[in-house]
Amino acid sequence: DVKVTQSSRYLVKRTGEKVFLECVQDMDHENMFWYRQDPGLGLRLIYFSYDVKMKEKGDIPEGYSVSREKKERFSLILESASTNQTSMYLCASSGLAGLAKNIQYFGAGTRLSVL
Amino acid sequence: AQSVTQLGSHVSVSEGALVLLRCNYSSSVPPYLFWYVQYPNQGLQLLLKYTTGATLVKGINGFEAEFKKSETSFHLTKPSAHMSDAAEYFCAVSASGSARQLTFGSGTQLTVLP
Repeated sequence: DVKVTQSSRYLVKRTGEKVFLECVQDMDHENMFWYRQDPGLGLRLIYFSYDVKMKEKGDIPEGYSVSREKKERFSLILESASTNQTSMYLCASSGLAGLAKNIQYFGAGTRLSVL
Repeated sequence: AQSVTQLGSHVSVSEGALVLLRCNYSSSVPPYLFWYVQYPNQGLQLLLKYTTGATLVKGINGFEAEFKKSETSFHLTKPSAHMSDAAEYFCAVSASGSARQLTFGSGTQLTVLP
């Protein structure tokens, strides 16, 4: 089974802190994604990466950056956390071939509260 | 550009009744369509997908969806609701055909009444 692991289920941070959210996948997938999920808004794409060291902005990249130094790991960085970044963050990955093609697999999510 | 509209942010059905969750999409190219389910405090799990071929798609847990190009719809159905179906359901569209970029609807919370 595909496994996408997010390092924390719950995080509480203070305004202005630098925050790292980590995501690891074990299926050698090329593509990885970060979304935020807010009630009534569904999932919105923050950033995605289709290869190591490659990244592309999604729909709401402001206030976020990402890092992909290894194929299996995709990090989301909040340079200076703000209260409006309190949300559920979901990581996903997808492959380009085989049964995983065209399917995004999701982690369990990190619920971030910024106080 | 692509978009997804899920009609009804909350749907309630009785146990054993038909489940119908509505999804309409817009896409400038032939779409790939997906339904995901999210149980409380969990990530999203794929229920079913339409890429090409047969327009009636069967998924896990007894769900199915029908792609209707003329109506730009991809409604999710299940003949008989079970208590364990209570969850949030998301419809998504990919116009690129590679799942590189999915656009999600705002979600429908399904409640199953005893």
